[in-house]
Amino acid sequence: EVVMTQSPATLSVSPGERATLSCRASQSVSINLAWYQQKPGQAPRLLIYGASARASGIPARFSGSGSGTEFTLSISSLQSEDFAVYYCQQYHNWPPLTFGGGTKVEIK
Amino acid sequence: QEQLVESGGGLVRPGGSLRLSCAASGFTFSDYYIIWIRQAPGTGLEWVSHISGRNDYTNYADSVRGRFTISRDNAKNSLYLQMNSLRAEDTAVYYCARRGVNWYFDLWGRGTLVTVSS
Repeated sequence: EVVMTQSPATLSVSPGERATLSCRASQSVSINLAWYQQKPGQAPRLLIYGASARASGIPARFSGSGSGTEFTLSISSLQSEDFAVYYCQQYHNWPPLTFGGGTKVEIK
Repeated sequence: QEQLVESGGGLVRPGGSLRLSCAASGFTFSDYYIIWIRQAPGTGLEWVSHISGRNDYTNYADSVRGRFTISRDNAKNSLYLQMNSLRAEDTAVYYCARRGVNWYFDLWGRGTLVTVSS
């Protein structure tokens, strides 16, 4: 099973600042990596797939990068609606499909 | 508008059964793999099971294999999850989601809560 590890667990950021979230895979997943955003009481929303492709309707301030075992989700200028939990998911080596434990982005 | 809506959650005793449903609308349901993903309270996401659009391929997480059965009725645009021999550790919000071009998920329902407790 590919273990996905996200860091940090919590990230405190001021509105307007840049946020950088990390996701590490226990083995290479190539670019088969997706990012999701989840707000309290809501379902996850797809942000990024293929490590760097933005999903439909996702603002340009969200960007993904990386390949192999190291990935990054960047939010260039945090808006109030961006405070949420973010999950990465690999779909390269499965079953099982696996998700990271999440990074909570909170207001500083 | 593309939409997935789960139903059927509730409180059930350990060893009991429950059947979840997921109603799809706004897209050609039979064209897509659909997946069940769950989220235990305060924790992350766990893949549970998935089924092909043609209803000819299924797969299950080891934690539920032999206890859960996924199925679909394309004529009714509906997905189901029959859950038997439920355990406390099955307590979670269960989401249905649609597979995109690859094995990421581009449309999710709002989830239904399953609580297994005596």
